[in-house]
Amino acid sequence: EDQVTQSPEALRLQEGESSSLNCSYTVSGLRGLFWYRQDPGKGPEFLFTLYSAGEEKEKERLKATLTKKESFLHITAPKPEDSATYLCAVQAGGGSYIPTFGRGTSLIVHP
Amino acid sequence: DTGVSQDPRHKITKRGQNVTFRCDPISEHNRLYWYRQTLGQGPEFLTYFQNEAQLEKSRLLSDRFSAERPKGSFSTLEIQRTEQGDSAMYLCASSHKTGAGNTIYFGEGSWLTVV
Repeated sequence: EDQVTQSPEALRLQEGESSSLNCSYTVSGLRGLFWYRQDPGKGPEFLFTLYSAGEEKEKERLKATLTKKESFLHITAPKPEDSATYLCAVQAGGGSYIPTFGRGTSLIVHP
Repeated sequence: DTGVSQDPRHKITKRGQNVTFRCDPISEHNRLYWYRQTLGQGPEFLTYFQNEAQLEKSRLLSDRFSAERPKGSFSTLEIQRTEQGDSAMYLCASSHKTGAGNTIYFGEGSWLTVV
C-alpha cells in the first residue's frame, strides 16, 4: 500500500527565513510525485510534478527535489503570502492512476 | 481554459437527507476523481472514472455513496441518508491521459455540513 508521510505537521517562519518541508514515501514503482498548495477553504492548487530521483523543479521561491525515498520542498526567503498548507502526493506505476496524499504541512510566515 | 468546476460550493443538510454534488472537469480531460477531505487531513480517495467507466472505488466508501459520469463528461456524487460523519469537503479533480505522470487538477471543492 502506498504511504506518504509529511513533516513537520506545522511550521512557523519569519519572513525571509528559508526552510524545507519533507515528504517521505513508500510506493511500488513511482510514476510521479506531486506537490500542491492549499489555502483555507479552497481546493489544492498544483505546484510541481517530479518523475525520477535527482529531478528538481523551481517556481518563484519554491524548489522541489526528489530522491528514491523522499522529496523536499525548499522555500527560499518566504513571504507572508506563502502561508498555506502544502500537500504531497505519490502515484504508483502499473494500471492505477490514483494519487495518494499525505496530511500536509501547515506553513505560517510571519511578517 | 477553464478549470474544474464544482457545484454547489456549500451545502447544509439535515441528517437522513440525500445530497448530490456536480463536477465539470477540464475540457478534454478523460480521467475524473472524487476525494473527500476533513480538517487537518489530506484528501482521501473515493472513486475514479476513465471516460464514463468507474474503474476504482475506495474500499472505505459506504454503499450510501454513488457516483456517475454519463457520457464521460460531467460527474455527480450522491450521498444518500446523510450522517454527521459525512460532513467534509468533497473535491473533484481531473487529468488528461498521457504516458507520463498523471497530474490531477482540483476544483474548489464542495463543503457539506450535516446537522
